[in-house]
Amino acid sequence: QTVVTQEPSLTVSPGGTVTLTCASSTGAVTSGFYANWFQQKPGQAPRALIYSTSNKHSWTPARFAGSLLGGKAALTLSGVQPEDEADYYCVLYYGGAHLVFGGGTKLTVL
Amino acid sequence: QVQLQESGPGLVKPSETLSLTCTVSGGSINSDYWSWIRQPPGKGLEWIGYFSDTGNTNYSPSLKSRVTMSVDSSKTHFSLKLSSVTAADTAVYYCARIIWGWGPQFDYLGQGTLVTVSS
Repeated sequence: QTVVTQEPSLTVSPGGTVTLTCASSTGAVTSGFYANWFQQKPGQAPRALIYSTSNKHSWTPARFAGSLLGGKAALTLSGVQPEDEADYYCVLYYGGAHLVFGGGTKLTVL
Repeated sequence: QVQLQESGPGLVKPSETLSLTCTVSGGSINSDYWSWIRQPPGKGLEWIGYFSDTGNTNYSPSLKSRVTMSVDSSKTHFSLKLSSVTAADTAVYYCARIIWGWGPQFDYLGQGTLVTVSS
């Protein structure tokens, strides 16, 4: 069974920078996994932020950036704002067929 | 702008079939891919499956034996059926659009609907 692993929780200070990662139990994450990232605030539906590793939607704030880092997909937030406090999920695409979500990262801005 | 809205019974009995509908506005089911995602209370997201109107369908291996996704003849709704439900299927269910470029690109999701499995 394929497992996608994210940091359970991270804390960042307002104005700071934080990187969330998304690892695959099958090995290194590459562009072929087409990583997507979602943000979910309490009581709300998830909102898509990033697709195909590093592409932003029109509504994605400029301070969010997706990349590949050390064999993982990564989401970097620069100049973190209090409203960025949320759960973040990645999803990876496997073998031309199915998708697997990571367990999510709870980001605290403190 | 595409808008998605889930609807269906909020309570389903164990062993019965969960049936949900997603209404699509501002977009066409004839194009793109459409997906269902769920989230048990207090837990993370789980991909259920996706399909296209051209018949390309993929379901989560863990749910494949119980899942059916289809599009309504009006092409304005698509549905999810999950058979033989148990309490473990209690979750908020979201529908979503996937644009298929070189790979899946999620963009719009519905607000979600809570389905509780209980007698």
